[in-house]
Amino acid sequence: NAGVTQTPKFQVLKTGQSMTLQCAQDMNHEYMSWYRQDPGMGLRLIHYSVGAGITDQGEVPNGYNVSRSTTEDFPLRLLSAAPSQTSVYFCASNDGAASFEAFFGQGTRLTVV
Amino acid sequence: QKEVEQDPGPLSVPEGAIVSLNCTYSNSAFQYFMWYRQYSRKGPELLMYTYSSGNKEDGRFTAQVDKSSKYISLFIRDSQPSDSATYLCAMTSNDMRFGAGTRLTVKP
Repeated sequence: NAGVTQTPKFQVLKTGQSMTLQCAQDMNHEYMSWYRQDPGMGLRLIHYSVGAGITDQGEVPNGYNVSRSTTEDFPLRLLSAAPSQTSVYFCASNDGAASFEAFFGQGTRLTVV
Repeated sequence: QKEVEQDPGPLSVPEGAIVSLNCTYSNSAFQYFMWYRQYSRKGPELLMYTYSSGNKEDGRFTAQVDKSSKYISLFIRDSQPSDSATYLCAMTSNDMRFGAGTRLTVKP
């Protein structure tokens, strides 16, 4: 059972480039979310989805887009990368929006130069 | 003001010490209160959860929630070097909010 899989694990982008961070889960969870983790800031919610075709913004959505065409996949797109988006990105899935247990991927370390 | 406040530490203790980790919060709608453990370069994993106020014990770990004070704690007894990690508190209402995480080092 793979759980939540994120790709890539590491990425370096130049300012202004775009890219997509991939996230897939095999637990048939309806709720998926993206967080970024910065020193001293903890995990901050970027976007989340309560099911295929439904997404909403979290605390820090600016500069990011998401879509949810299937239950399994929830990609995060950086439209025009900025150095402020240098961070570690985690995808998570829950068995329901109010479920207390989130299953996290291994993270993507992104550096924007 | 952040919804969830947690001292990021770092916290360093000798092996066998009792560790106390704490968070405060401002949103009274939070229902579940969790502690996640995150090892270096890994994703967080659920350690314990509590629903509403009260205590919950699991081996060397005890979680406490005081909703009247909007304060939660995690106690680790007989701490071990393998407990060295970042501990994040988390809470849910419509979505999950995390504290900043406290980095703990247990020295042999």
